[in-house]
Amino acid sequence: DTAVSQTPKYLVTQMGNDKSIKCEQNLGHDTMYWYKQDSKKFLKIMFSYNNKELIINETVPNRFSPKSPDKAHLNLHINSLELGDSAVYFCASSHRRSLYYEQYFGPGTRLTVT
Amino acid sequence: DQQVKQNSPSLSVQEGRISILNCDYTNSMFDYFLWYKKYPAEGPTFLISISSIKDKNEDGRFTVFLNKSAKHLSLHIVPSQPGDSAVYFCAASPSSNTGKLIFGQGTTLQVKP
Repeated sequence: DTAVSQTPKYLVTQMGNDKSIKCEQNLGHDTMYWYKQDSKKFLKIMFSYNNKELIINETVPNRFSPKSPDKAHLNLHINSLELGDSAVYFCASSHRRSLYYEQYFGPGTRLTVT
Repeated sequence: DQQVKQNSPSLSVQEGRISILNCDYTNSMFDYFLWYKKYPAEGPTFLISISSIKDKNEDGRFTVFLNKSAKHLSLHIVPSQPGDSAVYFCAASPSSNTGKLIFGQGTTLQVKP
């Protein structure tokens, strides 16, 4: 019974397309995150939602738009995909937005833009 | 400008010996530090954390040491086991209230039987 799930696991698409990655958690957490792991392997936070409210919005192109329909879901929509968007995207959730609550990560979505 | 750095991309140790993974940071405002472990094709999983008011935290075979003056932390695994082979990420936070984590680039640990 997966705690944090992401779909799809792999996504190959062409430049200029629009795509979405879905994330769902069944842990009852109220905070969710999106991270990007780039080619240099750094994990960088992109967004965070707490009770459907955006609380972290890092310097990310506005082609990236998170959407949280409810506390259990945080989807990532990407418009006009570029080659540099190729990366592994991880969703995570935590019981509260405080760091004293462990963040649980999904398995990642490997996005390849050709 | 990477605020959290793990300068050793890989480390290989013999089973039963100690593994020491290192992490350096530049921001003196960081007040909470964590280690995550990641297996291939999986997301990172939390391992151990330490607050800036402490210099050591221990959990079973895992101990994290924090040297604030040197802006350095390390993870010790004793004894190392083959199942510990994974990528280890160091992370730090500028604010405990937002959940924001800044990660290093990871160190791949290989424990040989």
